[in-house]
Amino acid sequence: KQEVTQIPAALSVPEGENLVLNCSFTDSAIYNLQWFRQDPGKGLTSLLLIQSSQREQTSGRLNASLDKSSGRSTLYIAASQPGDSATYLCAVISGNQFYFGTGTSLTVIP
Amino acid sequence: GAGVSQSPRYKVAKRGQDVALRCDPISGHVSLFWYQQALGQGPEFLTYFQNEAQLDKSGLPSDRFFAERPEGSVSTLKIQRTQQEDSAVYLCASTASSTVNYGYTFGSGTRLTVV
Repeated sequence: KQEVTQIPAALSVPEGENLVLNCSFTDSAIYNLQWFRQDPGKGLTSLLLIQSSQREQTSGRLNASLDKSSGRSTLYIAASQPGDSATYLCAVISGNQFYFGTGTSLTVIP
Repeated sequence: GAGVSQSPRYKVAKRGQDVALRCDPISGHVSLFWYQQALGQGPEFLTYFQNEAQLDKSGLPSDRFFAERPEGSVSTLKIQRTQQEDSAVYLCASTASSTVNYGYTFGSGTRLTVV
């Protein structure tokens, strides 16, 4: 069974700092990898989708990379802002379902 | 509609009560998924529909859980004789694709609390 791990579980940074969130998965046979943001009491907002044939995707201050062979992905957030505070979830699609990590809770301190 | 809509947003049920959670996917979306997210955990797969066909229900935790999508659009997740361990956020997701290798749109979820 696919297992997805996210490190760190929680992160607190001062505003303006660049940061990296890590995701690892055990089975490299994935269709794609998706990063989501979840605000307290809310659903999931898709941030970036990386197809299995791609190595990275960028959207604004966000950049996600994918290394299928090593089973790793990173989400880079540049110039963090207090509004970035949320839980960030990594998910891989293999078989016919998503497998989610437990998330990284990010707090950006003004 | 513009997004995936779930109702109710919050549900408090007494232990032993039956509940029904509704998901309205984006119009025309073929594939629909249900996920269960316990507090502090990532969502976990429950079941998957392609149109009205339930193709995978391997994630349903017990026979008290039942899902349907009779007309290939709206889906209902029913939980019979609720238990405290059923307390979680139940998320629904849909996609226009009939294959699973594309991104999905998630609803805001239904937070179920069993007391």
